[in-house]
Amino acid sequence: DIVVTQSPDSLAVSLGERATINCKSSQTVLYSSNYKNYLAWYQQKPGQPPKLLIYWASTRESGVPDRFSGSGSGTDFTLTISSLQAEDVAVYYCQQYYSTPYTFGQGTKLEIK
Amino acid sequence: EVQLVESGGGLVQPGGSLRLSCAASGFTFSSHWMSWVRQAPGKGLEWVTNIKEDGSEKYYVDSVKGRFTISRDNAKNSLYLQMKSLRAEDTAIYYCASLAGTGWYFDLWGRGTLVSVSS
Repeated sequence: DIVVTQSPDSLAVSLGERATINCKSSQTVLYSSNYKNYLAWYQQKPGQPPKLLIYWASTRESGVPDRFSGSGSGTDFTLTISSLQAEDVAVYYCQQYYSTPYTFGQGTKLEIK
Repeated sequence: EVQLVESGGGLVQPGGSLRLSCAASGFTFSSHWMSWVRQAPGKGLEWVTNIKEDGSEKYYVDSVKGRFTISRDNAKNSLYLQMKSLRAEDTAIYYCASLAGTGWYFDLWGRGTLVSVSS
């Protein structure tokens, strides 16, 4: 199974500042035949289901604000929120969909400093 | 409105059974792989099972193999999860989720239904 590890577990950032969350997979999620990274990012606010933010490591889902961006390749990935807004307080998860069982990182709790 | 609505959760004793349902609306259900993903109280997300558009392929996480069965009825736009031999560690919110047509990421989630396994 591919193990996905996020860092940090929690993060406090001031409003308007940049937030960066890291995600590392135990093996590559880059599929050589199409050169796509099989990695997604989700946002989960308290009492709500997860919401898809990013897929293919860097493609923003429709309707997601452009302050959210994803980067990385192979085994190391990053979710960046360029200017933190109050509504971004949530837990963020990365997920690999390269192979079953699809696995998620443990989550990163993002708070306002 | 595009949505998934789960039902069927509740309190069940260890060793018991439960059947979850998920009603889909607002999109072409029969054209999507579907999944169940669970979240234990205060914990992270765990993929449980997938089913192909026509039900011909199914995949499970090892911890539920032989105990859980995913199925679907495309005529009723519904997804199901039959759970048996339930254990305390199966206690979680169970989310129904659709997989995107272009990849195995989850592009639509229901609000979930809580399954509690306890004596």
